[in-house]
Amino acid sequence: AQSVTQPDIHITVSEGASLELRCNYSYGATPYLFWYVQSPGQGLQLLLKYFSGDTLVQGIKGFEAEFKRSQSSFNLRKPSVHWSDAAEYFCAVVPNTGNQFYFGTGTSLTVIP
Amino acid sequence: GAVVSQHPSWVICKSGTSVKIECRSLDFQATTMFWYRQFPKQSLMLMATSNEGSKATYEQGVEKDKFLINHASLTLSTLTVTSAHPEDSSFYICSARGRGGGAADTQYFGPGTRLTVL
Repeated sequence: AQSVTQPDIHITVSEGASLELRCNYSYGATPYLFWYVQSPGQGLQLLLKYFSGDTLVQGIKGFEAEFKRSQSSFNLRKPSVHWSDAAEYFCAVVPNTGNQFYFGTGTSLTVIP
Repeated sequence: GAVVSQHPSWVICKSGTSVKIECRSLDFQATTMFWYRQFPKQSLMLMATSNEGSKATYEQGVEKDKFLINHASLTLSTLTVTSAHPEDSSFYICSARGRGGGAADTQYFGPGTRLTVL
């Protein structure tokens, strides 16, 4: 079945430490890939997206993500986390045969001083 | 950048009443708008897709008579929860895609509406 998986429900990191949030998908062909961030009680903000081309994508707020076809993954990274990065992060895909967004279950990030 | 607003941001109503939520694209024309529902600590679930001037397409399991969607203009879509019950309490989020947007185009999300049904 087609799915988007975020294996980590919750991650805690120290401020200044590096971060990697995992996202795996299972679709027949490479879908369009997105990462969104949601602060408590807020809507979603787009961090970055991958459609084609360079597999390392730069986004806002110092985030980047790398598409790895062989692993069907699109992991989000940040070299140095700030306290303001604490939020819920969602990976989303749009199959290239359709136009519907499918969201992962989200990863909650806590940043400790 | 593209901005999507929702009104109200939160609403409390009595069981059996109807509630209307508005979604507006403020600086672009949204030919397609999407309505999502999010339960606490869970992901977003697509409820329906609406195209301006046509009937909404509902996802499987979503009652179209209960969740009425109207997309009367290129900048406004409304979701009306009819005869609301406590189990309808949730966070409702809309998103919008601009004119000419294809499958790969970005959806811009509203800030969400918190509905609590007593």
